Amino acid sequence: GDSVTQMEGPVTLSEEAFLTINCTYTATGYPSLFWYVQYPGEGLQLLLKATKADDKGSNKGFEATYRKETTSFHLEKGSVQVSDSAVYFCALRRETSGSRLTFGEGTQLTVNP
Amino acid sequence: DGGITQSPKYLFRKEGQNVTLSCEQNLNHDAMYWYRQDPGQGLRLIYYSQIVNDFQKGDIAEGYSVSREKKESFPLTVTSAQKNPTAYYLCASSPDRLSTYGYTFGSGTRLTVV
Repeated sequence: GDSVTQMEGPVTLSEEAFLTINCTYTATGYPSLFWYVQYPGEGLQLLLKATKADDKGSNKGFEATYRKETTSFHLEKGSVQVSDSAVYFCALRRETSGSRLTFGEGTQLTVNP
Repeated sequence: DGGITQSPKYLFRKEGQNVTLSCEQNLNHDAMYWYRQDPGQGLRLIYYSQIVNDFQKGDIAEGYSVSREKKESFPLTVTSAQKNPTAYYLCASSPDRLSTYGYTFGSGTRLTVV
């Protein structure tokens, strides 16, 4: 079945550090890939997405590139801020109609001033 | 603005009581979902519905029930049969036929059994 594997957390960085959160997936066909962010006490918000190989999703300084050859969708940001502290979820959704989102376990990021 | 509304934000329940969590969306989405999130853990799917008057069990449906009488509404009942109901519950929706869309989430209901 489909699965998403994220790097284990928690991740702690200093402000302005470079961020990478690894995400790899297993799925048949050509799924769409997503990153969601969950701030404390809130629901999940879509951060970015990519729907085909080599696409790059970007938003709020975050980027991720759909790499079919390595089945990866790593999240990066060049300079993190304290306000980026949150839990980040990688997810995939297969192309077949009615398919469900499959989530990774989430990675807790804490950015210290 | 379109979105998903979950109510209440916090809910306390006595052991042995059923409780219903509300989820309403005005996005005209076909599909709706209920997830459970426990501290420090990922999301687990409870139930989902792709069309009115139809729904399917997710990965952890035991002790829960749902209904989908209207497109906009997908309430979740946590029954007394659910052995460990204290958790954060998230509702989501999506335009089901388009896999390039992700889900839109509500802000969640935190249920505590006292």
